[in-house]
Amino acid sequence: DVKVTQSSRYLVKRTGEKVFLECVQDMDHENMFWYRQDPGLGLRLIYFSYDVKMKEKGDIPEGYSVSREKKERFSLILESASTNQTSMYLCASKPTASNTGELFFGEGSRLTVL
Amino acid sequence: QQQVKQSPQSLIVQKGGISIINCAYENTAFDYFPWYQQFPGKGPALLIAIRPDVSEKKEGRFTISFNKSAKQFSLHIMDSQPGDSATYFCAAHHRDDKIIFGKGTRLHILP
Repeated sequence: DVKVTQSSRYLVKRTGEKVFLECVQDMDHENMFWYRQDPGLGLRLIYFSYDVKMKEKGDIPEGYSVSREKKERFSLILESASTNQTSMYLCASKPTASNTGELFFGEGSRLTVL
Repeated sequence: QQQVKQSPQSLIVQKGGISIINCAYENTAFDYFPWYQQFPGKGPALLIAIRPDVSEKKEGRFTISFNKSAKQFSLHIMDSQPGDSATYFCAAHHRDDKIIFGKGTRLHILP
């Protein structure tokens, strides 16, 4: 079974702090994604990466950056956390060869910014 | 337009009834339409998916109906069960490999 692991399930940070959200997948997938999930807004794409060191902006990249130094790991970085970044963050992966829209998600990281 | 519009936002159905969730899209560059199911505390998981050249796909109690000319697709859950209570997302796979999600429908099946 594909496993996507998000290192932190719950985080509480203060405004202005730098926040790292880590995601690791074990199925050698080329593509990795970061979404944020908010009630009534669904899943919104922040960034995605289709290869090591490659990244593409999604629909809401402002205030975020990403890092993909190894194929299995995709990190989301909040350079200076703000209260409006309080949310559930979901990491996902898929192989490039798949065009069915099937993503494999982690269980999410719930971030609260005070 | 990358948007996928989903309705209703929430839905309550009696056990044994039919649950119907609707979605619409505008971008013709979408080439696959998956539905995801999410239980509390878990990430979404693929439930069923359909290609735009197919009008219907059925897997057990779950059926996707697809109307290409109207750019609409829907999920039908037959004989709905309390265990189906979850949040459902429609989505669309774009040729550039982005996957765009609807806003979700919170489904509650009354026992």
